Amino acid sequence: QVLLQESGPGLVKPSQTLSLTCSVSGGSMGSDYDYWSWIRQPAGKGLEWIGRLSASGSSDYNPSLRGRVTMSLDTSKNLFSLKLISVTVADTAVYYCAKMRVARPNYFYMDVWGTGTTVIVSS
Amino acid sequence: DIQMTQSPSSLSASVGDRVTITCRASQSITSYLNWYQQKPGKAPKVVIYGASNLQSGVPSRFSGSGSGTDFTLTISNLQPEDFATYYCQQSYSIPRSFGQGTKLEI
Repeated sequence: QVLLQESGPGLVKPSQTLSLTCSVSGGSMGSDYDYWSWIRQPAGKGLEWIGRLSASGSSDYNPSLRGRVTMSLDTSKNLFSLKLISVTVADTAVYYCAKMRVARPNYFYMDVWGTGTTVIVSS
Repeated sequence: DIQMTQSPSSLSASVGDRVTITCRASQSITSYLNWYQQKPGKAPKVVIYGASNLQSGVPSRFSGSGSGTDFTLTISNLQPEDFATYYCQQSYSIPRSFGQGTKLEI
């Protein structure tokens, strides 16, 4: 059973870079049928999809983040990372990593989620 | 971007009830629609994918229907553990947008 766990600093100053890591256990990250995603949720609000990355290197990001986001995979260490530059207080949220599964015919959905990590942007 | 709109925003129900939550997309997403359940302080969990496919391990009292722009999540014979917030999400195009959520309360 695949398990995901996010980690990273809980406090980031405005204009700095938010860096989070997702540790994957119980499975391989190299499958062509799995994608790896980040989602965030401000306190008391809804879910926002940040982006996804495949083991082959294919990536898609939410245009709302205006080029501030980068994701990477280290399949040798079973790690999935998120970098968000030039953060503001609006980036304060619980950040989740998730595995996206592809089911036939071409249904993408997030079937395994981490427990989430809270990031506060404040000076 | 595709906008997803859920209704109602909140819903009161009782154990044993049958409830329906609606999700509307701003353009056709065929059947690329997922439903997630989220309990307070927990990560979301998928219950339905591809509009009507029940995720493994999810009780059969959950069902999904719809195609195009209009979708529904129905929960029959509500159980205490079903009280949560439900989100729809389209997987038709990037960005994979979510609805604003429906809070199902006792």
